[in-house]
Amino acid sequence: ENVLTQSPGALSLSPGERVTLSCRASQSVWSNYLAWYQQKPGQAPRLLISGASNRATGIPDRFSGSGSGTDFTLTISRLEPEDFAVYFCQQYGSSPYTFGQGTRLEIK
Amino acid sequence: QLQLQESGPGLVKPSETLSLICAVSGGSVSGSPYWWGWVRRPPGKGLEWIGIIHYTGDTYYNPSLKSRVTMSVDTSRNQFSLKLSSVTAADTSVYYCTKAVGVTASSLIDYWGRGTLVTVSS
Repeated sequence: ENVLTQSPGALSLSPGERVTLSCRASQSVWSNYLAWYQQKPGQAPRLLISGASNRATGIPDRFSGSGSGTDFTLTISRLEPEDFAVYFCQQYGSSPYTFGQGTRLEIK
Repeated sequence: QLQLQESGPGLVKPSETLSLICAVSGGSVSGSPYWWGWVRRPPGKGLEWIGIIHYTGDTYYNPSLKSRVTMSVDTSRNQFSLKLSSVTAADTSVYYCTKAVGVTASSLIDYWGRGTLVTVSS
């Protein structure tokens, strides 16, 4: 299976800062079918990015995704207070569809 | 706005069958190209994809769980379900129901439920 490794595991930043999260796959992700999700405590995960770089409906443009093959990134250009959450990636190109272990973004 | 709500026993005994239902509101399970599925997160571990089902009955399961998993769709009640047999403590997890969109099994999860904790213990 395609193992996804996210880094860093956790990050402490201040509102207004820029952050880049990494998701690295052990094998090339077919058709760059890589998604990013945000999850806050007690809430359902929310889709942010699909196809490595396509923002989902209603997602602010401060969120952007990039990458191809085995290396992908999620960038938040300017952190807002509501952005502090857990972010995880998922590849949906080849079964079994696997997830990264997540990056926890905390307020400094 | 589509909403998914998981329900089922929070405690299951070892060797028994775990059964969960996901009620869908704000949309139809008969829609296409929609797939309905399940993902779980064991305590302290990462997410694991369990499988997906189309309302026509097509299913794709994680090979690691395939021998124990059964999914079904009830169009009359607008819900779908998961059964996992012969459970052990390793099956203790938060179980999420999901909706995915795509023409093949390589479908994108665009909605999740909030999840329900199922503990396997005697």
